[in-house]
Amino acid sequence: SQQGEEDPQALSIQEGENATMNCSYKTSINNLQWYRQNSGRGLVHLILIRSNEREKHSGRLRVTLDTSKKSSSLLITASRAADTASYFCATADTGRRALTFGSGTRLQVQP
Amino acid sequence: ETGVTQSPTHLIKTRGQQVTLRCSSQSGHNTVSWYQQALGQGPQFIFQYYREEENGRGNFPPRFSGLQFPNYSSELNVNALELDDSALYLCASSLLRDNEQFFGPGTRLTVL
Repeated sequence: SQQGEEDPQALSIQEGENATMNCSYKTSINNLQWYRQNSGRGLVHLILIRSNEREKHSGRLRVTLDTSKKSSSLLITASRAADTASYFCATADTGRRALTFGSGTRLQVQP
Repeated sequence: ETGVTQSPTHLIKTRGQQVTLRCSSQSGHNTVSWYQQALGQGPQFIFQYYREEENGRGNFPPRFSGLQFPNYSSELNVNALELDDSALYLCASSLLRDNEQFFGPGTRLTVL
């Protein structure tokens, strides 16, 4: 079963615009991670934020985490056509050994 | 540093057959996890191996089984294939303490 949901399910923007994706989850977590997947291939790790962190940056990526609301957001600034992909959040629950993924946001960046 | 590799890339089987998928971990990683990803869905955890022992299992029946070898490579075996087993199977390696997982490109299994 999926841990939570990404919102929106699909997003289409123009190159240069910012893209924001949200993720909600259900249980207590150790950390939350964001992954990118191109065309049904392997997932690429983007960023990990621990439960005691509120915000983290990596290049054009900004992730926030609100454990009281059990939610996270991923912001991609100044998007590029190459950012077109599916984006998944995944949680590492306390006491579990594996990641639990959401259903993903499909991002389309129009050149 | 060698990344995670999986073989084969694609596979077509018929219902009732058995399949073995293979994964080589990233250099230095001692933990391998397997995930099943149906079309349009997020990956779902099958099981994890740490130092050749199963270290956690998701909600999959016993006909899904695995192995991890001393060099930390791994196999996923599925017996009595069903049509719903058609999916992308992803292998990920990690250090157990870290949980950041590095994924292979996946094996696309089609069951006819």
